[in-house]
Amino acid sequence: AQSVAQPEDQVNVAEGNPLTVKCTYSVSGNPYLFWYVQYPNRGLQFLLKYITGDNLVKGSYGFEAEFNKSQTSFHLKKPSALVSDSALYFCAVRLNSNSGYALNFGKGTSLLVTP
Amino acid sequence: NAGVTQTPKFQVLKTGQSMTLQCAQDMNHNSMYWYRQDPGMGLRLIYYSASEGTTDKGEVPNGYNVSRLNKREFSLRLESAAPSQTSVYFCASSLQGPPDTQYFGPGTRLTVL
Repeated sequence: AQSVAQPEDQVNVAEGNPLTVKCTYSVSGNPYLFWYVQYPNRGLQFLLKYITGDNLVKGSYGFEAEFNKSQTSFHLKKPSALVSDSALYFCAVRLNSNSGYALNFGKGTSLLVTP
Repeated sequence: NAGVTQTPKFQVLKTGQSMTLQCAQDMNHNSMYWYRQDPGMGLRLIYYSASEGTTDKGEVPNGYNVSRLNKREFSLRLESAAPSQTSVYFCASSLQGPPDTQYFGPGTRLTVL
């Protein structure tokens, strides 16, 4: 089954420092991987996705993610964190046509950026 | 372009009551989805509609029904609400097929007493 795991419930970073939110995947075949962000009391917003090609994917708000096939990881990164980046982050993998190409989400990682 | 809209934003039900959650998208997307979000569990797929006229069960369909009313609208019905259905419900849509991005609505926060 296509699945992702987010090993950290919470990540704390000081403003201005680099941040990493971890995600590992377990899929058969080539994975389609996504990152979404959820601000309090809001819906999910798309950040970026990996389909194929370059292992470094750039997305919204200065975020990027590195696809690593040997480590089956798709970690979300940002060179310099902002307090406004504090939110809940979800990694997701696309399911196959039998599930209507729905997404299978990780449990989420809460990012707290302190001033 | 409103994107994906959901109504209501909040709802409180008593056990056994019924209600319908409404979702509409104005992006001419073919596929629509209903997820529920529970603390520490991420989002789980309830039902999906790959195209107008079709619906299928997801991971957690028990206690729910759906209707794909037309290409724009996809509703979720709770026939007899239970406290276990207390959750935040999100509707999403995508154009069709891989690796299309899914766009999410703002969510409906449902409490069943």
